[in-house]
Amino acid sequence: DVVMTQTPPSLSVAIGQSVSISCKSSQSLVYSDGKTYLHWLLQSPGRSPKRLIYQVSNLGSGVPDRFSGTGSQKDFTLKISRVEAEDLGVYYCAQTTHFPFTFGSGTKLEIK
Amino acid sequence: QVQLKESGPGLVQPSQTLSLTCTVSGFSLTSYNVHWVRQPPGKGLEWMGVIWSGGNTDYNSALKPRLSISRDTSKSQVFLTMNSLQTEDTGIYYCNRGFAYWGQGTLVTVSS
Repeated sequence: DVVMTQTPPSLSVAIGQSVSISCKSSQSLVYSDGKTYLHWLLQSPGRSPKRLIYQVSNLGSGVPDRFSGTGSQKDFTLKISRVEAEDLGVYYCAQTTHFPFTFGSGTKLEIK
Repeated sequence: QVQLKESGPGLVQPSQTLSLTCTVSGFSLTSYNVHWVRQPPGKGLEWMGVIWSGGNTDYNSALKPRLSISRDTSKSQVFLTMNSLQTEDTGIYYCNRGFAYWGQGTLVTVSS
């Protein structure tokens, strides 16, 4: 199985600051069609996961452009610019290139 | 709009079979794939399996011997069946459309 390693496991930031979360995979996530199926999700407290970013850098529907994703092959980053209170929760990266699809262990974002 | 809603028994006895239903609206099951993902209490996300728009299925190899996913397109419903349940199968079970749209989840507790 592809292991997704997220860092840091938690972080505490003040409103308005910017943060980055790293996600590294044990295998390249480039599929045979040339696309990279690496996604970012946010699970707010008590809520279902919500997709933020798909295929590395594409913003999900209704997601503010404060969120951005970069990376390639095995190394990916989610950046949140100008953090807002509503951004708190657990962020997961997920890969849907290789079976079984797998998730990172999560990064918990707290607001100072 | 796109909606998914999980339903099920809530409480299942050890060694028994779990049956969950995901009822969808706003899209056709013949056009989009539906995944099942679960989350043990206080832990991360685990991908269980998918039924593709064409009706084929893929499963997490760790669960494959116990798991079955099927659908009734006329009723817009996707079904999850998993046998030989143990306490470690306790958690919230989510269905989602392509990781983009998620249901609210249903809590399954395995206990005698």
